Amino acid sequence: EVVLTQSPGTLSLSPGERATLSCRAFQSLSGSSLAWYQQKPGQAPRLLIYGTSTRATGIPDRFNGSGSGTDFVLTISRLEPEDFAVYFCQHYGTSTWTFGQGTKVEIK
Amino acid sequence: RLVQSGAEMKKPGASVKVSCKASGYNFATYSFGWVRQAPGQGLEWMAWISPYKDKTNYSRKFQGRVTLTADTSMSTVSMELRSLTSDDTAVYYCARVVLGSWELPRWDYWGQGTRVTVSS
Repeated sequence: EVVLTQSPGTLSLSPGERATLSCRAFQSLSGSSLAWYQQKPGQAPRLLIYGTSTRATGIPDRFNGSGSGTDFVLTISRLEPEDFAVYFCQHYGTSTWTFGQGTKVEIK
Repeated sequence: RLVQSGAEMKKPGASVKVSCKASGYNFATYSFGWVRQAPGQGLEWMAWISPYKDKTNYSRKFQGRVTLTADTSMSTVSMELRSLTSDDTAVYYCARVVLGSWELPRWDYWGQGTRVTVSS
């Protein structure tokens, strides 16, 4: 069973700063099956990135995904006020889906 | 677009059924997944269904307690959770699943969520 560990739990940054979020697994994963979601309070999650690095429709290019094997990263190059939210990574494998526990990006 | 049924209040031991109606695309060509989110917690995958393949997969945690069904004539999928306890109090989300030989797996459209409260 895949376990995804996200770090840090909370990231305190100011608008305009760069955010780097980590998603790690104990075993090597297929990068084609790694996705990222953004969730704001009271809203459903929204797809940001899939296949490790492909941005979903309408997602600004300040959001970038990278990584391989056991380490995957979501980078937000310059934080906009609307980017302060919780971010989850997700993996699909052998007919099962796994979510990380989330990283909260909060305003410093 | 995915529209879920309304909030539910249930007593311990009861069952709940949440529906998710799809519109705006060909229902029959996609799968659907369900997750839940307890208050202040993260996303917990429960199950997914492929109506066109007539296939379902359940998380081990929920196996035997959850059932997904699909009504292609109504473009609706439903999730039934039985033997409810207070630990099942959460917001339940459905989402459209993109998956296939030439597709990168993802959940691209989500319902608005259904709040289920279990309390005596």
